[in-house]
Amino acid sequence: NAGVTQTPKFQVLKTGQSMTLQCAQDMNHNSMYWYRQDPGMGLRLIYYSASEGTTDKGEVPNGYNVSRLNKREFSLRLESAAPSQTSVYFCASSEPGQGTGEQYFGPGTRLTVT
Amino acid sequence: AQSVTQPDIHITVSEGASLELRCNYSYGATPYLFWYVQSPGQGLQLLLKYFSGDTLVQGIKGFEAEFKRSQSSFNLRKPSVHWSDAAEYFCAVGAIVSYNTDKLIFGTGTRLQVFP
Repeated sequence: NAGVTQTPKFQVLKTGQSMTLQCAQDMNHNSMYWYRQDPGMGLRLIYYSASEGTTDKGEVPNGYNVSRLNKREFSLRLESAAPSQTSVYFCASSEPGQGTGEQYFGPGTRLTVT
Repeated sequence: AQSVTQPDIHITVSEGASLELRCNYSYGATPYLFWYVQSPGQGLQLLLKYFSGDTLVQGIKGFEAEFKRSQSSFNLRKPSVHWSDAAEYFCAVGAIVSYNTDKLIFGTGTRLQVFP
């Protein structure tokens, strides 16, 4: 099992460019999440998907869109990148259990917007 | 509101010394608590978790954590630190979003540096 995979690992964008970060999990989990990690701020939830066909905003959704393509895949799109979106992005998945759902994380995508 | 506080941004210890990383949480109901570790350039790996029962929880890599409800704390400990423990450590509390969704609320992390 690969667990949670993310592509690409690194990306440099110019301001205004768009891109999609891909995430896939092979654990048959219902829930998937996108986080961003910035120094001194921990991980902040961007969007999540409780199950296939549903998505909801997290703590910092502005400037992002998501698609839950199927049960395995959950993508994050930046339509018009801004320097403030320079960050490390993590995808995670879990099988929810009334607050007990341990989340499994991908290796991350390091994004720089110039 | 739910929150997690890790008061120590950066801790330095000598190899072989004991370690305690602090975590305080704010959550209205019974908390589900987690410690994750992030090695440089890597994703997050679960060290241990507390759901109920024994308040002293054992995890991987020789780590343990103690849940103290009266202090709203879930501190991580290790009796003897190895150089490979140098990493960033995150405490998190699990929160119920809806009947079929959880989320994790993370602290800001503690970076551990280990000197030989």
